[in-house]
Amino acid sequence: DGGITQSPKYLFRKEGQNVTLSCEQNLNHDAMYWYRQDPGQGLRLIYYSQIVNDFQKGDIAEGYSVSREKKESFPLTVTSAQKNPTAFYLCASSITGTGFREAFFGQGTRLTVV
Amino acid sequence: SQELEQSPQSLIVQEGKNLTINCTSSKTLYGLYWYKQKYGEGLIFLMMLQKGGEEKSHEKITAKLDEKKQQSSLHITASQPSHAGIYLCGADPLGTSGSRLTFGEGTQLTVNP
Repeated sequence: DGGITQSPKYLFRKEGQNVTLSCEQNLNHDAMYWYRQDPGQGLRLIYYSQIVNDFQKGDIAEGYSVSREKKESFPLTVTSAQKNPTAFYLCASSITGTGFREAFFGQGTRLTVV
Repeated sequence: SQELEQSPQSLIVQEGKNLTINCTSSKTLYGLYWYKQKYGEGLIFLMMLQKGGEEKSHEKITAKLDEKKQQSSLHITASQPSHAGIYLCGADPLGTSGSRLTFGEGTQLTVNP
C-alpha cells in the first residue's frame, strides 16, 4: 500500500545534540513538507520541497535543515541551534502542478529534549 | 502569507448535537482543505473545496465555501464520540497544488456520551 512513513515515532535528544527525523513516501509525489505542531496549536511550516535537490524555507526554518536527494525521502535535522525543539513533527507529501489534491500525512514523530 | 483563523478554538458538545466550525481567510481561498487529527497522530483528509458556493458532504460532515471564497464552515450533524478530535483547515495560497500549505490553529472537539 502507498503511504508516507515517519520514524521514529518517539525520539529523545539531549540538549546540544543534532537529531534527524526520517520521512519516506512511496506515493510518487513531487512535493514534501515538514510541519511542527505544539500543544494547542496548529501546524507551522518548517521546510518544503517541490522537486528533488530543491527546497524552500517555511515560516519557522531557523534551527532546522533538510535535504532532498531522492524523490522518496525528505529527512529533517533538528540542530542544536533550535532553542525549543520539543514538539510533534509531521511530514506530508502531495502532487504538484495545476489542480488541487490533498496532502497526505505521516503519523508524526514526537521529539523530546531531555 | 495567508492567515487562517478558526473558531471556536475548542468545543464541547453532547452526543447527538449539531455543531459548526468556521475557518476565515485574510485572502481569497483557491483551495481549502479540512483535516481531522486524533491526538498524537497524523492528519486525516476530510474534504477539499475549490469553488465559491461549493458544498460537500461525507457521512454526517458537511463543508461549505462561501461565494467570496474567504470563509469555510464545517458542520457535523448528530455528533458522535467518534467525531472527537482536532479539526484543521488548510489552504494553498498560491492556487497551485504542491505550493506551501498553511493551516489554521485547529478546533478541539470533545463529544460527551
